[in-house]
Amino acid sequence: GQNIDQPTEMTATEGAIVQINCTYQTSGFNGLFWYQQHAGEAPTFLSYNVLDGLEEKGRFSSFLSRSKGYSYLLLKELQMKDSASYLCAVPWTGFQKLVFGTGTRLLVSP
Amino acid sequence: DTEVTQTPKHLVMGMTNKKSLKCEQHMGHRAMYWYKQKAKKPPELMFVYSYEKLSINESVPSRFSPECPNSSLLNLHLHALQPEDSALYLCASSSSGAGDGYTFGSGTRLTVV
Repeated sequence: GQNIDQPTEMTATEGAIVQINCTYQTSGFNGLFWYQQHAGEAPTFLSYNVLDGLEEKGRFSSFLSRSKGYSYLLLKELQMKDSASYLCAVPWTGFQKLVFGTGTRLLVSP
Repeated sequence: DTEVTQTPKHLVMGMTNKKSLKCEQHMGHRAMYWYKQKAKKPPELMFVYSYEKLSINESVPSRFSPECPNSSLLNLHLHALQPEDSALYLCASSSSGAGDGYTFGSGTRLTVV
């Protein structure tokens, strides 16, 4: 089976940096996705990590440690529009299904 | 076209009604998915179609019936639903590649009364 955990909620201030953690336990590993989801909207793709290390993409970076079963999403220069849920997800059964973590609701305040 | 289109966006139905949710993509993706998402929860997988054949059914009640008429379309037929089935229903598609990711539609907000 798989077990994917994230903090339930986080708060941060506009302009700050926030790190959202994800720990996972899977019997097979095919990489890890991060998605952003605004309330009532579709999840949108942020990143995909399959190798260890940090991948930077603008204000967002994602880190993976396969040996520790750990990933994080780093958001810099926070903006109000970054208030959303952030979901890590792991492909299962090859890539036949995407299993989501518990999700982290991020609230950015002025 | 890099979108997954879902219709309708909102649906209210009674427990004796029959309705269908529709999903369409023209990205050439050969895998399509139905997810159910309750408020403040992550999406939960319901069904997977691969090359137009049902490959995964996550023990979904038979009142939900999926259909894949062709490689671009995915339907979810609803019959005799319960109020607890009220949720956001998301369709997604993916190619066979790894890092391509899954593209999600904006969902159908279903309310069962």
